[in-house]
Amino acid sequence: GQQVMQIPQYQHVQEGEDFTTYCNSSTTLSNIQWYKQRPGGHPVFLIQLVKSGEVKKQKRLTFQFGEAKKNSSLHITATQTTDVGTYFCAGLSAGGTSYGKLTFGQGTILTVHP
Amino acid sequence: GAGVSQSPRYKVAKRGQDVALRCDPISGHVSLFWYQQALGQGPEFLTYFQNEAQLDKSGLPSDRFFAERPEGSVSTLKIQRTQQEDSAVYLCASSLVRFGQFFGPGTRLTVL
Repeated sequence: GQQVMQIPQYQHVQEGEDFTTYCNSSTTLSNIQWYKQRPGGHPVFLIQLVKSGEVKKQKRLTFQFGEAKKNSSLHITATQTTDVGTYFCAGLSAGGTSYGKLTFGQGTILTVHP
Repeated sequence: GAGVSQSPRYKVAKRGQDVALRCDPISGHVSLFWYQQALGQGPEFLTYFQNEAQLDKSGLPSDRFFAERPEGSVSTLKIQRTQQEDSAVYLCASSLVRFGQFFGPGTRLTVL
C-alpha cells in the first residue's frame, strides 16, 4: 500500500534559524496536505497542494510540491517559539477510488530554543 | 458549532467492554473521517463517509470496529470487546469534498 515517509523525525533549532521537513510518497499523489499538531493538541490543517511543481507561501512558511507529485517540503524561515509542534504531511493517492483516504507521514517534531 | 466536537474526551474501558465514540462534524461538511493515532505517530486512516454513505472502511483494523453516520451528520465509532491494543487517541475530522480536513480534539481511549 501507499507509504509516506517524512524526514527528519526530530529537529531542534535556535529561535531565528530556518527549518525544513521533507515528505516522500511511494506512489504518485493527487494532492498533498500539511498539518501542524501542537503538544497535547489535534492536527490543524495548514495547506493543500494540488499541481505539479506548485509553491505556496503563508507568511514565514513555504510549501512545495514536487514535479513528479511524489514529494513535498515545508520550509519555515526564522523560526519562532510559536512554531513548536509536529508537522505532518498527508497524501491522497492518485487514481485511487477513495477520495478521502489520506496517508499521513510519521511527522517531524520541531522544538525551538529561545 | 464552531468546530468538530468529540465525546467523551477520555474513556477508560476494561478489556472486553464495548465502547462508543461520538463525533459532531462542522455543519455542512459532507465528508467525515475517523483516524487512530498512537503516541508519537501520525494519524492512521480508519474510515470515511460522504454524507451517510461509508465509502471506504479499509482502515478498520478488525470486525470489532464499526462506524456509522445514519443521517449524514453525527457519527459514532463503536469498538466491541475492546483489547489493550485498541488504546489510542481516536480522531474525527470533517471537510468539504476534496478540501483540507478539520479535526476534533479526539477521544483518548485507555483499555485496562
